[in-house]
Amino acid sequence: AQSVTQLDSQVPVFEEAPVELRCNYSSSVSVYLFWYVQYPNQGLQLLLKYLSGSTLVESINGFEAEFNKSQTSFHLRKPSVHISDTAEYFCAVGDFDGATNKLIFGTGTLLAVQP
Amino acid sequence: EAQVTQNPRYLITVTGKKLTVTCSQNMNHEYMSWYRQDPGLGLRQIYYSMNVEVTDKGDVPEGYKVSRKEKRNFPLILESPSPNQTSLYFCASSFGSGPSYEQYFGPGTRLTVT
Repeated sequence: AQSVTQLDSQVPVFEEAPVELRCNYSSSVSVYLFWYVQYPNQGLQLLLKYLSGSTLVESINGFEAEFNKSQTSFHLRKPSVHISDTAEYFCAVGDFDGATNKLIFGTGTLLAVQP
Repeated sequence: EAQVTQNPRYLITVTGKKLTVTCSQNMNHEYMSWYRQDPGLGLRQIYYSMNVEVTDKGDVPEGYKVSRKEKRNFPLILESPSPNQTSLYFCASSFGSGPSYEQYFGPGTRLTVT
């Protein structure tokens, strides 16, 4: 069975500091990995995804994640965070076995950016 | 504007009183699904639908029903709500099934059952 582990429930960080949100996955089939962001009182938005090809994927707002098959990880990083990055971040692995189009989510990491 | 809408956004109800949470998308998506979000558990899929009149159970379907009579709508029905269904519910849709199809999420419905 596929699963996702986000070890950190909350990550406090000062503005302009770098941050890494950790994600480890377990999958016995093809690996499709996603990061979603949930701003306060909003739905989830896709931040970035890894489907195949280059193991380093980037978002339009400066986040990046690297697929590491040997360590079964897909950590999210940003070199310099802003107050506006405060949100909850969910890592997910995709289960696309024919009839299903399911995302299996981790428990989420709250990124709290402080001035 | 392309979007997934849910109504109501907030609902407080009592045990046993039937309720429906509506979900509608204007993107002509074939695939729709419902998730519930609980602290420490992340999001878990309740039901999904590949197309009109085609629905199937997700990971936590107990106590829920769905229907898909029109392509754009996918209501979630709680026939007899119980306190353990207090949660934040999200509807999602995508054009097709597969990793290339981005799933779009609604704004969420916060349900409290007393």
